[in-house]
Amino acid sequence: AQKVTQAQTEISVVEKEDVTLDCVYETRDTTYYLFWYKQPPSGELVFLIRRNSFDEQNEISGRYSWNFQKSTSSFNFTITASQVVDSAVYFCALSPQGGSEKLVFGKGTKLTVNP
Amino acid sequence: NAGVTQTPKFRILKIGQSMTLQCTQDMNHNYMYWYRQDPGMGLKLIYYSVGAGITDKGEVPNGYNVSRSTTEDFPLRLELAAPSQTSVYFCASSPGRTNSPLHFGNGTRLTVT
Repeated sequence: AQKVTQAQTEISVVEKEDVTLDCVYETRDTTYYLFWYKQPPSGELVFLIRRNSFDEQNEISGRYSWNFQKSTSSFNFTITASQVVDSAVYFCALSPQGGSEKLVFGKGTKLTVNP
Repeated sequence: NAGVTQTPKFRILKIGQSMTLQCTQDMNHNYMYWYRQDPGMGLKLIYYSVGAGITDKGEVPNGYNVSRSTTEDFPLRLELAAPSQTSVYFCASSPGRTNSPLHFGNGTRLTVT
């Protein structure tokens, strides 16, 4: 069975703090993809990043970075120097083999960045 | 490109009423999906379609119906609305491959009272 666990339900930080959102996944597939989506207060879901199971290279995009570790089945997301605009619900998702209809979402982590 | 367009944005239904949530995409994606989002529960797949004329159930299909007569449109029908269907509904589309990110509409907030 495929499963995504985001143990942090809510996180509150002060602007300029660094924050890491945890994502742990379960799958028996050898080929799979992991995603992060952002849902700001306006409600739409926005794709942030995709990582395949064969690429454990960390990725950095501006203030955002992602740490993928197969050994711990984790795909964590770090925001450096957080800003109020980072306030959102962040979803981690797992796409196992067989097509994107099998995509499994975590329950999301609500991040609040206070000024 | 408009992407994925959902209508309406908000709706209040009385118990037992029916309605159709509209979804259209202009990216020529084969796959389309309907999800519902309940507070603290993430997104649950209701129905999906891999192409015109083909639909299949997701995790939580009861109380809903869909059709896919064209590549662009994927309406979701609620028959005999119940309070348990109060939720935010998202339509999404993708090319369908395992590595394809989903493109989401802006959501429909539905309240059944």
